[in-house]
Amino acid sequence: QKEVEQNSGPLSVPEGAIASLNCTYSDRGSQSFFWYRQYSGKSPELIMFIYSNGDKEDGRFTAQLNKASQYVSLLIRDSQPSDSATYLCAVTGSARQLTFGSGTQLTVLP
Amino acid sequence: EAQVTQNPRYLITVTGKKLTVTCSQNMNHEYMSWYRQDPGLGLRQIYYSMNVEVTDKGDVPEGYKVSRKEKRNFPLILESPSPNQTSLYFCASNLSPDTEAFFGQGTRLTVV
Repeated sequence: QKEVEQNSGPLSVPEGAIASLNCTYSDRGSQSFFWYRQYSGKSPELIMFIYSNGDKEDGRFTAQLNKASQYVSLLIRDSQPSDSATYLCAVTGSARQLTFGSGTQLTVLP
Repeated sequence: EAQVTQNPRYLITVTGKKLTVTCSQNMNHEYMSWYRQDPGLGLRQIYYSMNVEVTDKGDVPEGYKVSRKEKRNFPLILESPSPNQTSLYFCASNLSPDTEAFFGQGTRLTVV
């Protein structure tokens, strides 16, 4: 079982819709959770980080964390074609190792 | 400008010929790591370093070596490259593993 799992996609949503990306992790001692965006041929860049249970909002992006269910999600509201990219979930586990999921490819259709 | 610099960006080499990919950061970060990215597998950590002279194996360390003699530099060494090490490699640095990781531009390695 992979330590960090994401729904593999690809995921397509129409422009203006909400895109929902999900991630589960296996290490109960994990403390830090991240969402990175990676455009094709580019390096990953941080979109959101979350440390505590609940929701964290930043503009059109909302990260949700549920430590009891070992679940992290990212919601993108009013999706734009420029949001089309691969989204990587990353988790810092109890061994202080930062582990990434395999990514979900999102396409926002104009 | 705060950045992580990897070199080279592209490299084609032959099986068995030792190579080094350099990584340097100018942000005084403690934590540095190397990842490889293959289609469908996401970013897999090869090695990470919590500080100078402290390195640990990640998920896929076989066939790779690293060293951390100075805080700013974290080179990745392939002593005897093989075709299955053909991949896109990223170096990253963070203040700590609980903070944002800054990535280099990537090194696309082909071993023939």
